[in-house]
Amino acid sequence: AAGVIQSPRHLIKEKRETATLKCYPIPRHDTVYWYQQGPGQDPQFLISFYEKMQSDKGSIPDRFSAQQFSDYHSELNMSSLELGDSALYFCASRLTAGGANVLTFGAGSRLTVL
Amino acid sequence: AQKITQTQPGMFVQEKEAVTLDCTYDTSDQSYGLFWYKQPSSGEMIFLIYQGSYDEQNATEGRYSLNFQKARKSANLVISASQLGDSAMYFCAMREGYTGFQKLVFGTGTRLLVSP
Repeated sequence: AAGVIQSPRHLIKEKRETATLKCYPIPRHDTVYWYQQGPGQDPQFLISFYEKMQSDKGSIPDRFSAQQFSDYHSELNMSSLELGDSALYFCASRLTAGGANVLTFGAGSRLTVL
Repeated sequence: AQKITQTQPGMFVQEKEAVTLDCTYDTSDQSYGLFWYKQPSSGEMIFLIYQGSYDEQNATEGRYSLNFQKARKSANLVISASQLGDSAMYFCAMREGYTGFQKLVFGTGTRLLVSP
């Protein structure tokens, strides 16, 4: 079965650089969520999209932005990177319209800021 | 206030034994969902089991079962017949509200180590 695809899996950037993470949800899933998990931390909700519109916003820094495209894939753009942005970034998708309960997570994108 | 509390930072269990991972939650909603996810050292987040607030029976999925005590607001995960591959971080999470695109809120996790 198709899963949530995230790319790149690993990314190394310098401070003040920009980074873009991509997420391809499970086909027909209409909701995408982004989470950030710092070292030894629990995942923290950043932002979500339902049918290509932002549906909820969590602790996402102003330096970050995200969008969902017409093909339902989503991108998380991070600018002016800081050391504290080093984390595992998860994308998850869900079929909200179908009443599904479970969020399926991708394998994550590990960002290291030097 | 913490929505999800996992009081056990780490747990040890011997292979083939059962283990219970604790989770308590805080919500004023009548409708909510409780989830357990497993995160091995490789980092991916794997769904294990789900319990809806209106479900009368405890959820079970193979070796995993959820001991749901609504009045006590607890949703403990029971793993029977532990295997070495069960060694991982386990997160309890909650979604408040009936349907819609509500996010999951996670607890701080419990690291489980299964020894031979």
